[in-house]
Amino acid sequence: DTGVSQDPRHKITKRGQNVTFRCDPISEHNRLYWYRQTLGQGPEFLTYFQNEAQLEKSRLLSDRFSAERPKGSFSTLEIQRTEQGDSAMYLCASSLARPRQGNGYTFGSGTRLTVV
Amino acid sequence: GESVGLHLPTLSVQEGDNSIINCAYSNSASDYFIWYKQESGKGPQFIIDIRSNMDKRQGQRVTVLLNKTVKHLSLQIAATQPGDSAVYFCAENNAGNMLTFGGGTRLMVKP
Repeated sequence: DTGVSQDPRHKITKRGQNVTFRCDPISEHNRLYWYRQTLGQGPEFLTYFQNEAQLEKSRLLSDRFSAERPKGSFSTLEIQRTEQGDSAMYLCASSLARPRQGNGYTFGSGTRLTVV
Repeated sequence: GESVGLHLPTLSVQEGDNSIINCAYSNSASDYFIWYKQESGKGPQFIIDIRSNMDKRQGQRVTVLLNKTVKHLSLQIAATQPGDSAVYFCAENNAGNMLTFGGGTRLMVKP
């Protein structure tokens, strides 16, 4: 296991289309997080799973966004009816426990979404 | 690849010099802090962390200082190298399940 994997690395889509991103966490990590990062800003929390349960959602996660982690392993983040404001880097992270031990909270390389 | 943070504050240092990157955090209830390094096209990479019951923590070539009175965090990098060039973010946690990130500083190391 080489870390957190995200797919695709880049996605260009037309406004109004739906997109889905995938995150494969570190296998023994039971916690999985989605963050969004726009240019010039730090990552912003979107949502968090413990195993298959989605336990926390940010107000940034509008109704057009849905995240799943059906078997408690990989997760998907879907954006419906994309808007230009959705253009950002979508980062996934995983951990064994709450972020109290930083070197156990690992980020993937992200999916860069561009909505045209 | 696309750069992270085209309009970030920038610190430019000479190779071999020491670097100090500062961060003001927002939540006085935060009791755990992390510094991350982010290179272009990559996710944040852990550098060092500190809990609020400490004022200073040292790692390999890096030191984090925490001043809770003024809600200020700093990252010191000794003998800065070209490979240290990146965007640096501080992040805070207040016992919840998420990290709150600051705005980031771009470090540029001149050879």
